Amino acid sequence: DAGITQSPRYKITETGRQVTLMCHQTWSHSYMFWYRQDLGHGLRLIYYSAAADITDKGEVPDGYVVSRSKTENFPLTLESATRSQTSVYFCASSELGGRNSPLHFGNGTRLTVT
Amino acid sequence: SQQGEEDPQALSIQEGENATMNCSYKTSINNLQWYRQNSGRGLVHLILIRSNEREKHSGRLRVTLDTSKKSSSLLITASRAADTASYFCATAASFTQGGSEKLVFGKGTKLTVNP
Repeated sequence: DAGITQSPRYKITETGRQVTLMCHQTWSHSYMFWYRQDLGHGLRLIYYSAAADITDKGEVPDGYVVSRSKTENFPLTLESATRSQTSVYFCASSELGGRNSPLHFGNGTRLTVT
Repeated sequence: SQQGEEDPQALSIQEGENATMNCSYKTSINNLQWYRQNSGRGLVHLILIRSNEREKHSGRLRVTLDTSKKSSSLLITASRAADTASYFCATAASFTQGGSEKLVFGKGTKLTVNP
């Protein structure tokens, strides 16, 4: 089915471990985004990508790494997880970027860091 | 920051009533978008209104934009229990400010429609 898929849906990890959240879209959209959603903060942009091999920081990039070797995939890695990174993470894609087109969101990954 | 701020934070109404949510932002924008989020799910796009537009309709939704006041409103008419969700506004910066591919989201309005 066409769409945007995030995996895993739920993840529990320990402080200090590396964890990768996966995001896959089937539309061949140029733009992809990672947001985190926390109570009291709404959605905050972590990283975004305008095309394969082009990424840029958002509002809260510290502690995260992204890559985009293929247009359809945009994994987010927490290099050494901290409790403050406990959150719900949303991946989104957009054909023309926020300036010209809407974002399409996945259903999120709920990450708990113990 | 150009982050949008929704008002009110929470709204509870009866089925059949209209629901109005407001969004204010700080800097010049290219467009403003409204999204809906059901509990435990991702956000779903509702409407995109460009900076040169004043009003836009989609079914029971009406969005207005006042760039002089840097504000927007989302009106849901004849609300239904299924409209219960959180609603977010998001802004894309004007091109001259750079980074206009990004959307900056507000904190949302939680709407409850009671049957």
